[in-house]
This record gives sequence, C-alpha cells and structure tokens, in this order.
Amino acid sequence: AQSVTQPDIHITVSEGASLELRCNYSYGATPYLFWYVQSPGQGLQLLLKYFSGDTLVQGIKGFEAEFKRSQSSFNLRKPSVHWSDAAEYFCAVGGDDMRFGAGTRLTVKP
Amino acid sequence: NAGVTQTPKFQVLKTGQSMTLQCAQDMNHNSMYWYRQDPGMGLRLIYYSASEGTTDKGEVPNGYNVSRLNKREFSLRLESAAPSQTSVYFCASSDVLAGVGADTQYFGPGTRLTVL
Repeated sequence: AQSVTQPDIHITVSEGASLELRCNYSYGATPYLFWYVQSPGQGLQLLLKYFSGDTLVQGIKGFEAEFKRSQSSFNLRKPSVHWSDAAEYFCAVGGDDMRFGAGTRLTVKP
Repeated sequence: NAGVTQTPKFQVLKTGQSMTLQCAQDMNHNSMYWYRQDPGMGLRLIYYSASEGTTDKGEVPNGYNVSRLNKREFSLRLESAAPSQTSVYFCASSDVLAGVGADTQYFGPGTRLTVL
C-alpha cells in the first residue's frame, strides 16, 4: 500500500532564508505526487503536482519540488521564504485512494 | 463559483447521537472524498466516490457511512458517534485525467466535530 513520510514535524526558518521540506513515499507504480498547503483554520490548497515528465516541477507562490525516483523522494523547496508562507505543508501520493503525510509545520522568524 | 462547501462548520455531539455532514461542489467534478484530520496524523481518507452512484472505502471507514446523492453532493453519516470520532472533517472533489486517474483535489473549509 502507498504511504508518505514527512520526517520533519516542525521547521523554523528566518524570513528570506531558503527552505526545503522533505517527503519520502512508498508506491508500487509510477507515483502521482502532490504538495498541499494548509493555513490555520482553512482547507488544503494545491501548491504543485508531479505526474510524469520533467522531474523538477514549479508551483504557485514560488515553490518548486524535485522528483527523485532513486531516492523515493519529492522534496519541496523555496529560495526565499516570506512571512506569509507560515503554514502546514502536506505531501501526498496516489489518485483516488490518496495517502497524505503527517505534515510539516513551518514557522517563519522575522 | 463557491467551490466545495461543507455544513455545518462546527458541531458538538453526545456519544451515541447521529448526524450527517453535508458536502456540495459546483465544479462538475466526478470524484468526491471525505477525510478526517487529526493532530500528527495528516489527512486520512474515510470514503470516496469516483462517480455518481459509486462509493468505496478508504483507509478509515469504520463507524461511517456515505451517500453520493447526485453528482454535486456527497454526505457523510455518523450513525452512533463516539469520542474517537472527534476530528476535523474535510470534503474534497476532483476531476479525472484520462490515463492518470484523479487529479488535483479541491478542499472545503472543514467541519470541526466534537463528541463528548
């Protein structure tokens, strides 16, 4: 069965610093991979997705993620974090039977 | 476009009571989903419906029932609520890409349920 691991429960970065959130997955076939963001009290919003093709995908709000099949990873990156990026981030794998990671909470220091 | 709407936003139940959470989408999506979100556990799929008239169990279906009333609406019913069902419930909908399966899921704002 597919599964997702987000090793970091909570990350704190300074505003303007770079960010990398880790995601490892287990999936039997070609994975469909997603990153979602959740602001407090809100539903989830898609940041980016990978189905096939170029392994570096660009998303909204300046985020990007790189699919590495050999490492079963799909890490999320941003070169310069803004205070408004503080939120919880979820990696997910699959189609109809989607599996989400436990999430990484991002705190941004001024 | 309202997107995905859920009612109610908040609910408090006593153990053993029943209730139905309502979800509707206006994006003409085929697939709809119910998740629960608990601290430290991410979102877990309860049930999903890949098309009108079909439903399938997800990761944590026990204690729940669903109805895909029509293409727009997908309800979640708790027949006899238990404290372990205290959670935030999210409904989502998705279109389907040919050859891929379900695409991006669009989420409602959630229902915060407390069972005493």
